Amino acid sequence: AQKITQTQPGMFVQEKEAVTLDCTYDTSDQSYGLFWYKQPSSGEMIFLIYQGSYDEQNATEGRYSLNFQKARKSANLVISASQLGDSAMYFCAMRERQTGANNLFFGTGTRLTVIP
Amino acid sequence: GAVVSQHPSWVICKSGTSVKIECRSLDFQATTMFWYRQFPKQSLMLMATSNEGSKATYEQGVEKDKFLINHASLTLSTLTVTSAHPEDSSFYICSANRGQGNTEAFFGQGTRLTVV
Repeated sequence: AQKITQTQPGMFVQEKEAVTLDCTYDTSDQSYGLFWYKQPSSGEMIFLIYQGSYDEQNATEGRYSLNFQKARKSANLVISASQLGDSAMYFCAMRERQTGANNLFFGTGTRLTVIP
Repeated sequence: GAVVSQHPSWVICKSGTSVKIECRSLDFQATTMFWYRQFPKQSLMLMATSNEGSKATYEQGVEKDKFLINHASLTLSTLTVTSAHPEDSSFYICSANRGQGNTEAFFGQGTRLTVV
């Protein structure tokens, strides 16, 4: 089964508007971490935000916030006040802590296009 | 600034030759680094886990004799694509974890390999 599911291959948002990128995950671990990365056309992976499974508060980093709903196993990324430079691929990822493997499992990504 | 540096950012090589890609953690020690491969318009797939001072752990389906990994120091891991073929053309990217509890996962800039 897919560990990370991103159901939106592409999204469009008007500049200065907010947008939500969906991510659901599947794990039997009690301890895990959820990440969001931005990948521009250059290919680099830019870390955006992290949410630990035991964190009670939703993570926020500037214009990025993570809407963590543990019971629903979802970790949606919210980008507020979109900017043209936000146009990129966005990947949701998970690390399962209990298994001891510290690698990340990635979703298929969402391509975000910000419209002027 | 970058905390994980990957070199080269792109390389073109002839079929049958070998290519070495370096991944360095710049301001922290990484006992474990990860090598991912990304085909065009696809997600990142873990190839192997590089362990300092011991053998790398390869994912199922990844040929260890073709993708040689060496983690000779706490700040450097190398991936050598041996006897490269055109089907090895891809984007290769490394990552390392930093921070207490490994909450931060940083990526190198990636290497775009083209085998002609």
